[in-house]
Amino acid sequence: EAGVVQSPRYKIIEKKQPVAFWCNPISGHNTLYWYRQNLGQGPELLIRYENEEAVDDSQLPKDRFSAERLKGVDSTLKIQPAELGDSAVYLCASSSTSRRQNTEAFFGQGTRLTVV
Amino acid sequence: AQSVTQPDIHITVSEGASLELRCNYSYGATPYLFWYVQSPGQGLQLLLKYFSGDTLVQGIKGFEAEFKRSQSSFNLRKPSVHWSDAAEYFCAVGASGTYKYIFGTGTRLKVLA
Repeated sequence: EAGVVQSPRYKIIEKKQPVAFWCNPISGHNTLYWYRQNLGQGPELLIRYENEEAVDDSQLPKDRFSAERLKGVDSTLKIQPAELGDSAVYLCASSSTSRRQNTEAFFGQGTRLTVV
Repeated sequence: AQSVTQPDIHITVSEGASLELRCNYSYGATPYLFWYVQSPGQGLQLLLKYFSGDTLVQGIKGFEAEFKRSQSSFNLRKPSVHWSDAAEYFCAVGASGTYKYIFGTGTRLKVLA
């Protein structure tokens, strides 16, 4: 079974430029997460989707970040314009959730963004 | 509010020695607890999880963790460390029903040959 697939693995852009990250979750997983991991820190949740609905985007900087999950499968995270402080690893994760019990999140390899 | 504390930023052990990584959490009810491992340039891989039941949880790669409610802890252990265990380890807590996972800041493990 394929895991969570993210692309690109690495991205270097100049500040003020736009950038987009793509995520394909594990087949059948209804919940998708985008996390940001700063150097030396743990991942921090940006947004969580259940199917195509964003159910928790309280930590997403909405002035420059946007995300979508059309058809409840793949997802794209966009930053426009990028700032130097956005340099981080962006991790996508997915899980199969139900009302009865949490399940663990499975992570992709991440996209390392460097803004220069 | 939920929080996770990993008191040790770096730990160095010799190959073959035992290992214990500490994790303390703050949560008002019974949490869902996880340990993940991250190798350089890689995503996070789940080592083990605790949802309910037996407080001693076995995971992959010979790791185990014990949930101690009285101490709000979920420490990760391994009886004999291998050089390939060198990585960063993250403890995470999940809130029942919200599926929101809060991660600690991680412990970087170095293994001496």
